[in-house]
Amino acid sequence: QVTLRESGPALVKPTQTLTLTCTFSGFSLSTSGMCVSWIRQPPGKALEWLALIDWDDDKYYSTSLKTRLTISKDTSKNQVVLTMTNMDPVDTATYYCARIDGTYDYSNYYFDYWGQGTLVTVSS
Amino acid sequence: DIQMTQSPSSLSASVGDRVTITCRASQGISNSLAWYQQKPGKAPKLLLYAASRLESGVPSRFSGSGSGTDYTLTISSLQPEDFATYYCQQYYSTPPLTFGGGTKVEIK
Repeated sequence: QVTLRESGPALVKPTQTLTLTCTFSGFSLSTSGMCVSWIRQPPGKALEWLALIDWDDDKYYSTSLKTRLTISKDTSKNQVVLTMTNMDPVDTATYYCARIDGTYDYSNYYFDYWGQGTLVTVSS
Repeated sequence: DIQMTQSPSSLSASVGDRVTITCRASQGISNSLAWYQQKPGKAPKLLLYAASRLESGVPSRFSGSGSGTDYTLTISSLQPEDFATYYCQQYYSTPPLTFGGGTKVEIK
């Protein structure tokens, strides 16, 4: 059974750095083709893809946010961590982590399992 | 980045109606398209991938079609549990990945 769960602070101040952890089970990020990604959704708005890390430790970032994002993994702990620097109120959103199963096709970058999401509010 | 434009942004429909949602990419994406359903307060759920392949467990009233830049999600007979917001997502080539703006399906 595949599960993902996001954790991190519910409230951060402007200019602070946000650190979110995705803890997953039911698959291994050391398996060829497996990836974990972060997606966010401001209240009442659309989904926005943020970052992805794959089994081979390749990392990909949103073009508009790449200077502020860092994604990393700890395979032994089944965790993926996202950091976002210089937080602003416009970054208030629900942040999701999600799995990509590219074991049969490395180009299958769609999300088959999602965490429940964690709401992060940026306010002083 | 490839831009995804969904239409309409919202629609009202009745139970039993046939509903069609369109997603247009800013360049050809070779059927590298997924559709998701999201209900309020919940994470998105994968419905279809590769433009027309139904995810396991998804009812057959959902179908997808299209090619090149234009893709369609169809619900053949709208059920009460289908009232939700739907998103397309392209995954052509390597990331960055992009979502459409969403289509909210409401009860008429």
